[in-house]
Amino acid sequence: AQSVTQLDSHVSVSEGTPVLLRCNYSSSYSPSLFWYVQHPNKGLQLLLKYTSAATLVKGINGFEAEFKKSETSFHLTKPSAHMSDAAEYFCVVSFTGGADGLTFGKGTHLIIQP
Amino acid sequence: EPEVTQTPSHQVTQMGQEVILRCVPISNHLYFYWYRQILGQKVEFLVSFYNNEISEKSEIFDDQFSVERPDGSNFTLKIRSTKLEDSAMYFCATLAPTGNYEQYFGPGTRLTVT
Repeated sequence: AQSVTQLDSHVSVSEGTPVLLRCNYSSSYSPSLFWYVQHPNKGLQLLLKYTSAATLVKGINGFEAEFKKSETSFHLTKPSAHMSDAAEYFCVVSFTGGADGLTFGKGTHLIIQP
Repeated sequence: EPEVTQTPSHQVTQMGQEVILRCVPISNHLYFYWYRQILGQKVEFLVSFYNNEISEKSEIFDDQFSVERPDGSNFTLKIRSTKLEDSAMYFCATLAPTGNYEQYFGPGTRLTVT
């Protein structure tokens, strides 16, 4: 079965410290992987995407993610958290593209402590 | 930058009533999607639409739901007889024709069924 798992429902970090949001997937195929961010009462914004090119992907607002096939992981990182990063983050997988919809993880709520 | 738009931003309806949620896709995108996010839960795929017909649908997309592109511009989701559990945020998305499976999301319509 194909699935995506976000390992933490909540992550709390202090402003200026690193952020790590974890994501693992299960698939028989090589998936396309995305991270989306949702700020309170807002829509979904694409942070970054992996589509079988470089395994280290850089996104907007200083976020990065590394695709590790051996670990079936696609963890999201940022060296230094900012208060404006507080939001819900979704790891998202496209297993076949096109007609099939995206599969979302349950989300990780990122809290930034001042 | 082109974007997906959705109207209304918020819809309140009584149980048993019909609602139509509207989306204007990005003009050169060919696949369209509807997703649902119940408050506090993950985003769930409902249906994909290509070449004026449904391509795929999830088990959530039962007979009370329908989609159409009535005028070559709008893409609509109709819920025939709303239930309390239909209360959710509904997102429209379109697929970029770039081959990397990136979907662009609209801002969402918050549906409240009373």
